[in-house]
Amino acid sequence: GAGVSQSPSNKVTEKGKDVELRCDPISGHTALYWYRQSLGQGLEFLIYFQGNSAPDKSGLPSDRFSAERTGGSVSTLTIQRTQQEDSAVYLCASSYRLAGGYEQYFGPGTRLTVT
Amino acid sequence: AQSVTQLGSHVSVSEGALVLLRCNYSSSVPPYLFWYVQYPNQGLQLLLKYTTGATLVKGINGFEAEFKKSETSFHLTKPSAHMSDAAEYFCAVSNSGGSNYKLTFGKGTLLTVNP
Repeated sequence: GAGVSQSPSNKVTEKGKDVELRCDPISGHTALYWYRQSLGQGLEFLIYFQGNSAPDKSGLPSDRFSAERTGGSVSTLTIQRTQQEDSAVYLCASSYRLAGGYEQYFGPGTRLTVT
Repeated sequence: AQSVTQLGSHVSVSEGALVLLRCNYSSSVPPYLFWYVQYPNQGLQLLLKYTTGATLVKGINGFEAEFKKSETSFHLTKPSAHMSDAAEYFCAVSNSGGSNYKLTFGKGTLLTVNP
């Protein structure tokens, strides 16, 4: 079956511009997660969704970052007024349930470069 | 709070040799432990996981790991390395308590396999 998909695969943007990153989870997965992978910080947890709800936004790096999920499916991570330190690979994952024992399936990521 | 330490950012082995990638964790509650592999320009793929039960866990591609509570370790091994094993490996922990949705990753170990 189809795995987690993310678009675009690569995004180059100028400093100060807004970007939207999209994630399509595996059908039927109720939980969705966003992580960021950068050379300096490794893999960092950003935010999770249970259904359309994101109860804990504390992992988002700043208030320039926001995320939403609609219809219990597609999620969008938006970064406003991008900065060079936002350059990273943004990974999305989904799991059948929101629980530690369930495998998180990862997408291929979106590589964001801020120039 | 939970954390993961992977000893050795880069491990090099010869084809056919033993692979040993080290992971130590810190968790205030019983952990769930994972090993993920990442091939270049791809997302993360689960190799194996420990939640409860048998402490020796077998995964895909001939890998296995043993959960040792007394040593707070979850080292990954494979008896005989193959060229196709060259990739980056990440150890991760989530916990069995309330915030068990979040994966905390180690910094990763890049495995090189020499012919």
